[in-house]
Amino acid sequence: VQLQESGPGLVQPSQTLSLSCTVSGGSIASGGYYWSWIRRHPGKGLEWIGYIYYTGSTNYNPSLRGRVTMSVDTSKNQLSLELNSVTAADTAVYFCARGGYCTSVSCYFDYWGPGSLVTVSS
Amino acid sequence: QSALTQPASVSGSPGQSITISCTGSSSDIGLYNYVSWYQEHPGKAPRLIIYEVTNRPSGISDRFSGSKSGKTAYLTISGLQAEDEADYYCSSYTGSSTLWVFGGGTNVTVL
Repeated sequence: VQLQESGPGLVQPSQTLSLSCTVSGGSIASGGYYWSWIRRHPGKGLEWIGYIYYTGSTNYNPSLRGRVTMSVDTSKNQLSLELNSVTAADTAVYFCARGGYCTSVSCYFDYWGPGSLVTVSS
Repeated sequence: QSALTQPASVSGSPGQSITISCTGSSSDIGLYNYVSWYQEHPGKAPRLIIYEVTNRPSGISDRFSGSKSGKTAYLTISGLQAEDEADYYCSSYTGSSTLWVFGGGTNVTVL
């Protein structure tokens, strides 16, 4: 399984950040896995943004709830992330990863993309 | 400030063993055995190397091992090799609305 993020590297303040994650080597629609977005602010640790299931069911980090929307396109085997009203504090490397929903047999992120740097600046 | 605390850097000579700590709270590491560790080389995708405190995914060298005591988890790399130079992040499930917390990362240098 491979994941690859893509999207604009520069976003204007107050605008919407939009990223895609293309999954290869496995079908999102086959089910059984949740898919997360995670970000890393410059020089800081990681922050879980939220996850989505192929059905469209989502769960977001409360710190971002209200600004974040995740979606899935099973025909393209793609995930999407939108974060609106961005500020400089949203400048980060954004990762998509498989996992995020904890069960007795799976409670980790086993595949990640290389990340996509998004800078919020005018 | 990250929810889990890791040392910023750890170094060791080839062949030596090093241990990275990851300190959380009674709401995450202290409560759940769902601690995982990730290795990240610059520009590459993070790789899962330890899950559920002590388990290694298929294909991960047995030089990597994990443990936990109370609110602190540990990653030990034995027989340090040049290829182990990377950043390492710990993570824990929390069960709260935040669900997941991560450490700030530890840069490992092979001298």
